[in-house]
Amino acid sequence: DAGITQSPRHKVTETGTPVTLRCHQTENHRYMYWYRQDPGHGLRLIHYSYGVKDTDKGEVSDGYSVSRSKTEDFLLTLESATSSQTSVYFCAISPSQETQYFGPGTRLLVL
Amino acid sequence: SQQGEEDPQALSIQEGENATMNCSYKTSINNLQWYRQNSGRGLVHLILIRSNEREKHSGRLRVTLDTSKKSSSLLITASRAADTASYFCATDNTGNQFYFGTGTSLTVIP
Repeated sequence: DAGITQSPRHKVTETGTPVTLRCHQTENHRYMYWYRQDPGHGLRLIHYSYGVKDTDKGEVSDGYSVSRSKTEDFLLTLESATSSQTSVYFCAISPSQETQYFGPGTRLLVL
Repeated sequence: SQQGEEDPQALSIQEGENATMNCSYKTSINNLQWYRQNSGRGLVHLILIRSNEREKHSGRLRVTLDTSKKSSSLLITASRAADTASYFCATDNTGNQFYFGTGTSLTVIP
């Protein structure tokens, strides 16, 4: 998967708890993205990064925050998880704002 | 939402037949891409077509783009069972953000 990993791959948590998902790349690509995938909605962009410490909001950013302190790592944090954040989360990387390479995904269940 | 929409939502064909799926979008774009997703996996990039291109080929894939109608089509020729997957279009209009459609689920029956 183009040198991109996500951790954890599966997580079950309770409403109100904080959750952090990690995306790690070995490609040194500038751009990194977090998406969520839900039935009937396809993939929706949560946040993206265009460089170290440079991030911006996507289409569905409410309830999520991100950080990128190193080129290779992009963290997605749910400060206080809600059931509506149950989803499959995908990280993607891109060298050129064109082709994106996706990670294997993280399945998150919020009870 | 600037999300695109694929049509049909689901498609079932026999191996060897051609599969055509369509994508419509709402705003002006820089480029349009098609991705494939196998069950339980991440998306894989298939092909990119720029706004000034009308048709592009890659192996058994043929993509067309009609910017006047804000639509694109993906044709997979001589389909194989291994082509069974979901197919998504994605548009790029701002350069930093991508908007994905809801996908077409393709089943190729051996």
